[in-house]
Amino acid sequence: TQLLEQSPQFLSIQEGENLTVYCNSSSVFSSLQWYRQEPGEGPVLLVTVVTGGEVKKLKRLTFQFGDARKDSSLHITAAQPGDTGLYLCAGGRGSNYKLTFGKGTLLTVNP
Amino acid sequence: DAGVIQSPRHEVTEMGQEVTLRCKPISGHNSLFWYRQTMMRGLELLIYFNNNVPIDDSGMPEDRFSAKMPNASFSTLKIQPSEPRDSAVYFCASSFWGRVNSPLHFGNGTRLTVT
Repeated sequence: TQLLEQSPQFLSIQEGENLTVYCNSSSVFSSLQWYRQEPGEGPVLLVTVVTGGEVKKLKRLTFQFGDARKDSSLHITAAQPGDTGLYLCAGGRGSNYKLTFGKGTLLTVNP
Repeated sequence: DAGVIQSPRHEVTEMGQEVTLRCKPISGHNSLFWYRQTMMRGLELLIYFNNNVPIDDSGMPEDRFSAKMPNASFSTLKIQPSEPRDSAVYFCASSFWGRVNSPLHFGNGTRLTVT
């Protein structure tokens, strides 16, 4: 079983602070997706990274795929209450339909 | 695009009763997934359909669980008989398989409580 470990499990910060959450595995993935899930809703895709060392930016969110394609990080600059949610990473292997999901980091940004 | 539509949003039932969850995928998507989410285990894939055919049901917990996809626009997940440990949020997701890294589009889930 290819596990994806996400850390921290819970994170509570004040508006305006920066933060980084991590997604780690001992296995190599061909792609890594990040989703955000808000209460009462399903996960929504934020980004997909596919190349080792790749960095993608989405407004105040910066995603990085590790050089060895075993880990990824999500950095949020100047967090806002609207960033509150469960952040999930999911690893894919080529044409394999079976994504491996981490358990997520539950982020709370307090005003 | 209305997205993936699931019903009901909430279901409360007594142990032993039959539960049926419903899903309408995004039109044009050829793949449909049923997931279960709990605090302890996170998101678990239960079953995957491609072009309405079940491809992988290895995640279905036991024979009490069954899923069907009679056509491209409808799928059901049935639990019979239900047990308290089945309490979870059940998500349906669809995608266009064949496109590399095609994202999953999730519905808003059905929160199932079995008492």
